[in-house]
Amino acid sequence: EVRLVESGGVVVQPGGSLRLSCAASGFAFDDYTMLWVRQAPGKGLEWVSLISWDGGSTYYAGSVKGRFTISRDNSKDSLYLQMNSLRTEDTAFYYCAKAYSIGAPFDSWGQGTLVTVSS
Amino acid sequence: EIVLTQSPDFQSVTPKEKVTITCRASQSIGNSLHWYQQKPDQSPKLLIKYASQSISGVPSRFSGSGSGTDFTLTINSLEAEDAAAYYCHQSSSLPQTFGGGTKVEIK
Repeated sequence: EVRLVESGGVVVQPGGSLRLSCAASGFAFDDYTMLWVRQAPGKGLEWVSLISWDGGSTYYAGSVKGRFTISRDNSKDSLYLQMNSLRTEDTAFYYCAKAYSIGAPFDSWGQGTLVTVSS
Repeated sequence: EIVLTQSPDFQSVTPKEKVTITCRASQSIGNSLHWYQQKPDQSPKLLIKYASQSISGVPSRFSGSGSGTDFTLTINSLEAEDAAAYYCHQSSSLPQTFGGGTKVEIK
């Protein structure tokens, strides 16, 4: 069974930093593109970032470029999102998801972790 | 950035009715358009891929059509368990984007 389990969501002050993790199991992690999607409470989905199977290619939404860094450790079947210079508008549930390739649909999602940016 | 415009934003429907949700892209995306269902307090689930391809385990009452800039998700004979938000997603170009969502309520 495919499992994606996010962790690391907490309350943080504006300007602060946070690292999210996503532990994967039940599939060949290093065969898949991985990504982060976020959803502000009561709002729609926003694509955040994507990383290729080998970590060699990374892409970001304009709203987080320069502040967030996506990475992966294929030896640990884990995906990460380093979030710096956090803003109140970054408050959201953060989901990790997998896709067979960069242009493929997101076929499995985690349950999400809540990041709250507030003073 | 490709903008996806979904309509309607909200639809209240009686069981067994047919539901049609549209998604329009700001430029041609071929068939790189996917649909997701998100039930309350759950994570999204892939419903339809590449505009019209079915997903294993998804009821056959869900179907998709379209190409280029105009796409449609159809739910034939709506059931109570279909109460959810529905989102389109384009993977044609980066940054990938989602539509604003359509909330389907059961009357």
